[in-house]
Amino acid sequence: KQEVTQIPAALSVPEGENLVLNCSFTDSAIYNLQWFRQDPGKGLTSLLLIQSSQREQTSGRLNASLDKSSGRSTLYIAASQPGDSATYLCAVRGNFNKFYFGSGTKLNVKP
Amino acid sequence: DAGVTQSPTHLIKTRGQQVTLRCSPKSGHDTVSWYQQALGQGPQFIFQYYEEEERQRGNFPDRFSGHQFPNYSSELNVNALLLGDSALYLCASRQGAREQYFGPGTRLTVT
Repeated sequence: KQEVTQIPAALSVPEGENLVLNCSFTDSAIYNLQWFRQDPGKGLTSLLLIQSSQREQTSGRLNASLDKSSGRSTLYIAASQPGDSATYLCAVRGNFNKFYFGSGTKLNVKP
Repeated sequence: DAGVTQSPTHLIKTRGQQVTLRCSPKSGHDTVSWYQQALGQGPQFIFQYYEEEERQRGNFPDRFSGHQFPNYSSELNVNALLLGDSALYLCASRQGAREQYFGPGTRLTVT
């Protein structure tokens, strides 16, 4: 069974700092990996989708990488802002179109 | 485009009762998935519907059932509610292998 782990569980940084969030998965047979943002009590907002054949995707200040063979993905956030404070979740799409989420990293960016 | 919509927003039920949650997918999307998110955890995959049939199912008991209509909208039904069913229920839609888009969720409280 696919297991998705996100480290750290929580992170607090000062505004302007660059930071990296980590996601690891146990089964490398994935179709894609997607990063989401979730504000308290709200639904998920898609940030980046990386297909299994891709190495990275970029959107604005966000860059996500994927190393399928080692079962790892990172989300890099440049020049963090207080508005980036949220929980960040990664999800992998595995065999039979099943999706598996990590428990998330709760980010707090201090002004 | 209204994106993925869900109703109701909040719901309070008593143990043993039955509940129905509703989801309308994003325009152009034909696949709908349902997730359960307990407080502080990542979403857990319940099942997925495509062409009005349940295509994949996560590790949830038969008390959880669903339906997809010809217009691609979907319902999630939960019978014999337990206290442990209290959670945020998220609906997601997609088209083919493209990224998933999530709705705002329905907060279910079982007392």
